[in-house]
Amino acid sequence: QKEVEQNSGPLSVPEGAIASLNCTYSDRGSQSFFWYRQYSGKSPELIMFIYSNGDKEDGRFTAQLNKASQYVSLLIRDSQPSDSATYLCAAKPSGGYNKLIFGAGTRLAVHP
Amino acid sequence: DAGVIQSPRHEVTEMGQEVTLRCKPISGHDYLFWYRQTMMRGLELLIYFNNNVPIDDSGMPEDRFSAKMPNASFSTLKIQPSEPRDSAVYFCASSQTGTVYTDTQYFGPGTRLTVL
Repeated sequence: QKEVEQNSGPLSVPEGAIASLNCTYSDRGSQSFFWYRQYSGKSPELIMFIYSNGDKEDGRFTAQLNKASQYVSLLIRDSQPSDSATYLCAAKPSGGYNKLIFGAGTRLAVHP
Repeated sequence: DAGVIQSPRHEVTEMGQEVTLRCKPISGHDYLFWYRQTMMRGLELLIYFNNNVPIDDSGMPEDRFSAKMPNASFSTLKIQPSEPRDSAVYFCASSQTGTVYTDTQYFGPGTRLTVL
């Protein structure tokens, strides 16, 4: 069973702090990884994807991938109350098709 | 370009009734996915299509659920008969074959289904 695991939270951080969201995956053959943000009552929207070991930065967001440890993380710098949402980690499993395996999501609360 | 379109946005029905959810993927996308999301079970993949052909329906909970994709721009998810435990938000998503840049799935707004 190919799985993606996330801490459900809630992760509570003060405004302006760095929020660190973590994810592990079981399929060692997974090649690409995605972070989606989902506001309450809305659909998931892509924040970033990463497929190479190391860091990838986009504005206040940094995705980190460590394939040896089968670990993906998302850092949000200068967290804002508008970042409060559920963050879904997803992995594209080995096997040739475009499906994604989603984690259960981590709820982030940024308080003023 | 318009995103993924789903209808209806909300559906309230009574147990035993047939429910049909509709989805129009992003033009040019060759993959279409149906998901169900609940608080208890999170986001579950029900079925997905590639070039209108069902690839994997192992996530469909039981025979009451069926999905079709008669052409590249339209798909339906049908529940017959519906039960209260089917109450959830149903999302449709689409993606395009290619490099990782185009493996991204784009989600529709979802259909909130309530079965009384």
